[in-house]
Amino acid sequence: NFMLTQPHSVSESPGKTVTISCTRSSGRIASNYVQWYQQRPGSSPTTVIYEDNRRPSGVPDRFSGSIDSSSNSASLTVSGLKPEDEADYYCQSYDSTNVVFGGGTKLTVL
Amino acid sequence: QLQLQESGPGLVKPAETLSLTCTVSGGSISRSSHYWGWIRQPPGKGLEWIGSVYYSGRTNYNPSLKSRFTISVDTSTNQFSLKLRSVTAADTAIYYCARLDSTDYPRYCQHWGQGTLVTVSS
Repeated sequence: NFMLTQPHSVSESPGKTVTISCTRSSGRIASNYVQWYQQRPGSSPTTVIYEDNRRPSGVPDRFSGSIDSSSNSASLTVSGLKPEDEADYYCQSYDSTNVVFGGGTKLTVL
Repeated sequence: QLQLQESGPGLVKPAETLSLTCTVSGGSISRSSHYWGWIRQPPGKGLEWIGSVYYSGRTNYNPSLKSRFTISVDTSTNQFSLKLRSVTAADTAIYYCARLDSTDYPRYCQHWGQGTLVTVSS
């Protein structure tokens, strides 16, 4: 089984850009899609990025996803930060036997 | 619009069996290319994948969890269920049901239920 490791927390000011990383412990990051979920307090998670870099309808283009095979990691970038972006963010991937979530990153918009 | 709704007891005693049901509306649970899964989240902690079921009854489970979980599907009622045996306080969590995109196996969550808090306490 593989693991996905995220930073525990990140913070940035409104209007700035922040990037959250997600590193896969074994197996190639590019071998299976990576998704990113946003979870605000008291709410269910919602998808902000799926299939590495695709945005569901309704998600602003301030959210973008990418993968980096050299570091075996995925990244979620949020630009033009707004106060409502403050939430927990989880990366997620899978293989043929399991679905795996990262530990989550708390994004604080200062 | 697809909706998923968890139901079940909010309080379970230690050593008993937890039973939860997810009712799917606005779409058929028998549609191919989707798995139906359960995820839990202990208070203040992260998301943990439990497992999923296909409409045919095929299941898969998180190999890191002990085999106390059973997931089943009832296509006649458009529901799927989770049973967890011998619960302890460590099983206290919000339990979410979800629809997953899939190929031969589940890949990622597309729709989530609102979640139901289950507390294990005597």
